[in-house]
Amino acid sequence: EDQVTQSPEALRLQEGESSSLNCSYTVSGLRGLFWYRQDPGKGPEFLFTLYSAGEEKEKERLKATLTKKESFLHITAPKPEDSATYLCAVTGGSNYKLTFGKGTLLTVNP
Amino acid sequence: GAVVSQHPSRVICKSGTSVKIECRSLDFQATTMFWYRQFPKQSLMLMATSNEGSKATYEQGVEKDKFLINHASLTLSTLTVTSAHPEDSSFYICSARSFLADWTQYFGPGTRLLVL
Repeated sequence: EDQVTQSPEALRLQEGESSSLNCSYTVSGLRGLFWYRQDPGKGPEFLFTLYSAGEEKEKERLKATLTKKESFLHITAPKPEDSATYLCAVTGGSNYKLTFGKGTLLTVNP
Repeated sequence: GAVVSQHPSRVICKSGTSVKIECRSLDFQATTMFWYRQFPKQSLMLMATSNEGSKATYEQGVEKDKFLINHASLTLSTLTVTSAHPEDSSFYICSARSFLADWTQYFGPGTRLLVL
């Protein structure tokens, strides 16, 4: 059974204080690891898809990396508008179902 | 690109009535669409998977007669909550997977259902 564990559950940062969110996973035959951002009362917004260990992707202040056991979402010099819940998910094998972690609630204070 | 819309965004209905929620992929063809339910402060729970032109596959514990799913075209899927009751009140979110074989799911903005 696929499993995803995200840490920490909640993270408070000061504006400009860089940090990383962790996503540990176990999956049979990784097809993709996904990062989403979810604001309250909204659906998840797609950020990144990573397919294989060693892959990295960047978008503005965010950078996602992948190893065989975990992924990190690095946030550089965050701003208050980066405050949200960040969800990590994986899909493996032959089905398209996503297995989600419980998310990390990020709060960036001005 | 990869925009998914949902309608309505919010609906309030009386107990015993049926409610239909539409999910559309606006700029791509979606081979597969998914319906999720999310409770406050919890992650998304997959309810069912639907492929265009086929019957939906429901997750264990999801009543297929209560949550009717239709995926009539490559850009539209609907979820009908039949004979809704207060315990069906929740945040329903759809997602769509691109026809072009990428494994990424793109999510709609969600529909807040309140059953009185």
